[in-house]
Amino acid sequence: KNQVEQSPQSLIILEGKNCTLQCNYTVSPFSNLRWYKQDTGRGPVSLTIMTFSENTKSNGRYTATLDADTKQSSLHITASQLSDSASYICVVSGWTAGNKLTFGGGTRVLVKP
Amino acid sequence: GAVVSQHPSRVICKSGTSVKIECRSLDFQATTMFWYRQFPKQSLMLMATSNEGSKATYEQGVEKDKFLINHASLTLSTLTVTSAHPEDSSFYICSASRGLADTEAFFGQGTRLTVV
Repeated sequence: KNQVEQSPQSLIILEGKNCTLQCNYTVSPFSNLRWYKQDTGRGPVSLTIMTFSENTKSNGRYTATLDADTKQSSLHITASQLSDSASYICVVSGWTAGNKLTFGGGTRVLVKP
Repeated sequence: GAVVSQHPSRVICKSGTSVKIECRSLDFQATTMFWYRQFPKQSLMLMATSNEGSKATYEQGVEKDKFLINHASLTLSTLTVTSAHPEDSSFYICSASRGLADTEAFFGQGTRLTVV
């Protein structure tokens, strides 16, 4: 069964600090992995999308890594800002009929001043 | 970038009435659109996949007679919650993709439905 597990479920960090979110998946065959940011009451917004051959991708203060061998990904937030408070969702797409997305449960990040 | 607009962002309706939610791709043609439901503090759950001009494919456990999906054009899909009940209250989100494979899907802003 295709699954995407994220950890931690939630975390609180102080403004200016860094943090790393984890994502493990069992989706196979693998097509791509995406990280989304979802503000409360809003739709997800894409941060990064990585295919099998990509190890790292950055988008401003967000850096995602992918290890396709161990089926793990991480999202690193550098110098956190209050506006980074949101849920971060790891989503994996597989090469199956319909190419459906498998969503992780998300990590809720709260940045405190 | 690709923009997907969802309308309305919030709706409150009486139990027993029907509610229509629109999902539009503003600057690209969306061959495929997806409808999701999200409960508080949970991730998105796929309800159905719709391709322009054909019937939607519903996920197991989703009542197709209750959640009517129409994808009449390459830029518009609608989700109608029929005979809404309080348990249908949720956050509904659509996403749109250019191709049949959702390698690049763009999400709408979501619609908060409250049934009273």
